[in-house]
Amino acid sequence: GAGVSQSPRYKVAKRGQDVALRCDPISGHVSLFWYQQALGQGPEFLTYFQNEAQLDKSGLPSDRFFAERPEGSVSTLKIQRTQQEDSAVYLCASSFRARLTNNEQFFGPGTRLTVL
Amino acid sequence: DAKTTQPPSMDCAEGRAANLPCNHSTISGNEYVYWYRQIHSQGPQYIIHGLKNNETNEMASLIITEDRKSSTLILPHATLRDTAVYYCIVEGAQKLVFGQGTRLTINP
Repeated sequence: GAGVSQSPRYKVAKRGQDVALRCDPISGHVSLFWYQQALGQGPEFLTYFQNEAQLDKSGLPSDRFFAERPEGSVSTLKIQRTQQEDSAVYLCASSFRARLTNNEQFFGPGTRLTVL
Repeated sequence: DAKTTQPPSMDCAEGRAANLPCNHSTISGNEYVYWYRQIHSQGPQYIIHGLKNNETNEMASLIITEDRKSSTLILPHATLRDTAVYYCIVEGAQKLVFGQGTRLTINP
């Protein structure tokens, strides 16, 4: 069965450009998470969806970051007016259950964003 | 901030058991201990999790002390493909909070 997929795998943007990163979770998974991983660091939580509802966006670093999951499956993370500090790997994860505890997450391969 | 403390790096010989320690002295009663690993240039991979009892699956065993303040992940027969960064995470009703992890190197 297919795992979590993300596209594009690599993205180079000029400073100030808008970017959109896509995540296709495992079919039937209720929960979807976005994480940001800077070079040499562990992943850091950005936001969480339960179906189409964005229940936690406390990790989004600024109002330039926006995520959506309109039909409760595919999700898009959008970054407006990209800055060099946005350069990182953006990871998407999904899990089968709605509850956050006792619930393993399955990660995609990530999108490596480089802002020049 | 991560609620766990792990050694930054460890080495293990191929074919031997790799024992990765984790301290989580502030863990509360309803928080699970999770282990994930991240092989270079890949997304994190779930390994195992537990609450109180020891757990075993096809990948690894998880030993949690009786006071739940520490745990050990055991890879029983390490292979070169087990070289990765291993993250010990304490998680309650919140998102995963990753620390720096342990960089495990399996040597031939």
